[in-house]
Amino acid sequence: GENVEQHPSTLSVQEGDSAVIKCTYSDSASNYFPWYKQELGKGPQLIIDIRSNVGEKKDQRIAVTLNKTAKHFSLHITETQPEDSAVYFCAASDGLVFGAGTILRVKS
Amino acid sequence: ETGVTQTPRHLVMGMTNKKSLKCEQHLGHNAMYWYKQSAKKPLELMFVYSLEERVENNSVPSRFSPECPNSSHLFLHLHTLQPEDSALYLCASSQDGPGRLAGNEQFFGPGTRLTVL
Repeated sequence: GENVEQHPSTLSVQEGDSAVIKCTYSDSASNYFPWYKQELGKGPQLIIDIRSNVGEKKDQRIAVTLNKTAKHFSLHITETQPEDSAVYFCAASDGLVFGAGTILRVKS
Repeated sequence: ETGVTQTPRHLVMGMTNKKSLKCEQHLGHNAMYWYKQSAKKPLELMFVYSLEERVENNSVPSRFSPECPNSSHLFLHLHTLQPEDSALYLCASSQDGPGRLAGNEQFFGPGTRLTVL
């Protein structure tokens, strides 16, 4: 079946630094790539998404880049803050196949 | 609040019990989903309903039985579960169902933490 690889599994950064999380996917027909943030005791919540006709998308401190040829996409968070600490998931295959998640810790 | 509610939030059951998980969405969406979330593993899609019809079933064991009586409600009926079924079960909804040209934001509930003894 289709799969999504996500790295790293854990990431610790100092407040104010940038964080980058990378995903690769196997489904070449994928056209929709969302990123979700999950806080303790809550379900995942969409933070940004990108479609295959766009190479990059930005929303304030968050950006996503997509390389369809290489079948990988990345989440970039700049000027990290303690409230960014959470688990982040990428997804492909119409947003139905998820990566294993990245635990992001922002140290103040 | 995401507009998707799940009950109960926590459930402990024995292997011979029968229980049901309930999900309700207040967003007017047409598609609903069940996912299983286990520690250090990707979210696993279990079932997808679009316009109250099941459109995807990812080879889930028959001890899990979904029911979608209308576009706002989704149930997961559980019977004779195994300890390895212990996990967080997440419900989600989206405006439209999955499709090769689609893909849209899913709104997740807070989940039901299930423990099978």
